[in-house]
Amino acid sequence: DTGVSQNPRHKITKRGQNVTFRCDPISEHNRLYWYRQTLGQGPEFLTYFQNEAQLEKSRLLSDRFSAERPKGSFSTLEIQRTEQGDSAMYLCASSLGQAFGLNEKLFFGSGTQLSVL
Amino acid sequence: AQKITQTQPGMFVQEKEAVTLDCTYDTSDPSYGLFWYKQPSSGEMIFLIYQGSYDQQNATEGRYSLNFQKARKSANLVISASQLGDSAMYFCAMRESTGNQFYFGTGTSLTVIP
Repeated sequence: DTGVSQNPRHKITKRGQNVTFRCDPISEHNRLYWYRQTLGQGPEFLTYFQNEAQLEKSRLLSDRFSAERPKGSFSTLEIQRTEQGDSAMYLCASSLGQAFGLNEKLFFGSGTQLSVL
Repeated sequence: AQKITQTQPGMFVQEKEAVTLDCTYDTSDPSYGLFWYKQPSSGEMIFLIYQGSYDQQNATEGRYSLNFQKARKSANLVISASQLGDSAMYFCAMRESTGNQFYFGTGTSLTVIP
């Protein structure tokens, strides 16, 4: 169990540029989540995958955000035409999800801190 | 309405004392799970304890216990014998059986004083 890995740890970009983040979940976990966290706030749901299928996406999520999980393994989150309001910590989490209950506890990565200048 | 409410932005506790962090939730789903996470300054969220809505007993995990009052829709985290390493942000979260996402509160910042 190597844990959830996220790359890069930090990303600084200029407004209008595109950025892509990667998440490698725990290998046997079939559920993968992306969350966004700003300073002083709790994580805010972005999107959810079960295996390779994206089953839920936040209604608050701009069309500039897209996520993929090819073959149900790693996932990428892309933000196009970044804005200063996109500056946040982007967290990836995975879970075993075999049955509703304790098995659903999320294992989080260390996050990617995005700063849009 | 907020799904998870944590009303204590910051808490202080003396080392070796116990502390209670409050969490109330809102759901109409009879089946749900409640989770507490710790987020140290390093940023990684660490799972602490879980309570299922149908669990008859309050959950315990080492120094962590959950004071689950279903009728009041509260799930307070109790940390006993506080240690300096307990200083961190603490988040309460809920997942309903009818949905996929986890709802998080705004967190409580705990500082343990030597």
